[in-house]
Order: sequence, then C-alpha cells, then structure tokens
Amino acid sequence: GDSVTQMEGPVTLSEEAFLTINCTYTATGYPSLFWYVQYPGEGLQLLLKATKADDKGSNKGFEATYRKETTSFHLEKGSVQVSDSAVYFCALSDPGSQGNLIFGKGTKLSVKP
Amino acid sequence: GAGVSQSPRYKVAKRGQDVALRCDPISGHVSLFWYQQALGQGPEFLTYFQNEAQLDKSGLPSDRFFAERPEGSVSTLKIQRTQQEDSAVYLCASSLDLTYGYTFGSGTRLTVV
Repeated sequence: GDSVTQMEGPVTLSEEAFLTINCTYTATGYPSLFWYVQYPGEGLQLLLKATKADDKGSNKGFEATYRKETTSFHLEKGSVQVSDSAVYFCALSDPGSQGNLIFGKGTKLSVKP
Repeated sequence: GAGVSQSPRYKVAKRGQDVALRCDPISGHVSLFWYQQALGQGPEFLTYFQNEAQLDKSGLPSDRFFAERPEGSVSTLKIQRTQQEDSAVYLCASSLDLTYGYTFGSGTRLTVV
C-alpha cells in the first residue's frame, strides 16, 4: 500500500541555518503531496502542497518540489527562525482515495537562538 | 465557526468505559475526516463522511469504534469499552473542496487508565 517515509528527528538547528527534511513516498498512482506543520499545542496546519510532478509548493519561506523520478518531496528553508520550531509531517493523498491522507511519522524541529 | 472545534480537549477514561468525542466542522464543509494520532506517530485515517453519509470506515481499528454525522454537520466518534491501546489524540478535519486540502481541529487527547 501507499506509504510515506520521513527522516527521523529530532532536528536541532541554530537560527538562520539551512533546513532540509527528507521525505520519500511509495504510491501506486500519481498522488498529491503535502507538508503539514504542528506548532506546540495547536492543530495540524497545511504548509504547502504539490499535485503533479515537478510542481514546487512554497509558503512562509519553505519550499518542496515533487520529484517523481526519485519519489521524493523534501522540505527546505534557507534560513530558519526560532518560530519555525514545530513538528513537520509529510503526507500524500492518492487520487483513487476519498481524499484521506497518509502521513509520515513526523520530524520535530527545534531552532535555537 | 472560524475553525474546526473539538471537545473535550482532554479525556481520561477508565479501561472499559465508553467515550464520545465531538467535532464541530467549519460551517458548510461537506467533507469530514477522523484521524488517530498515537504518541510520536503521524495521524492515521479512521473514517470519512461526505455530508451525512459515511463513505469510508476502513480505518476504524475495531467494532468498538463508531462514528456518526446524522445531520451532515457535527460528528461524534464513539469508542466503546476503551482499552489502553486506544490512548491517542483523535483529530477531526473538514473540507469544502478537497482540492485545496482541509482544516484540522486541535484534537482530543484520550488517555485510558
């Protein structure tokens, strides 16, 4: 079945460092791909998405490119801030499904000043 | 309302007790999902409603789990004879158009003792 694999955390960075969180997926069709973020004490929020190969999703300085050839959707940010500290989830939605998401296990990011 | 509201925020249940978790979706949102998030894991799909119709309940882990949305708005997830393995955060999400993703509530943290 479909699945999502994320790099394990926690990830600890200094402010203004470059961030990469790796995400790869397995799917039978051509899924839509998502990054969700969960700030402490809050619900999951959609960070960005891409619906087809070579699409780039971007939001709040974060970017991820849908790479069909490597089945990847790595999350990047050029300069992280303390306020980016959160848990990040990669997810996919199979076009044959009802829209339900399959999530990775999440990667906790801590940014130190 | 402005967002997806879930209640209670926290619930402690004795093993064997029945619990009911409520979700108030965003007004007008047709699609409603329930997810279960165990500690340190990503959310896992439980069930999906389109209006009042439960179109997919393949993720419900056992027949002790039951969900309803009788008027196509508020939904209730009921767990009968709770077990320790039911301890998790239960997330509700709603959507007007799945193309644009959906909005999650803050979840109900269920602890079975």
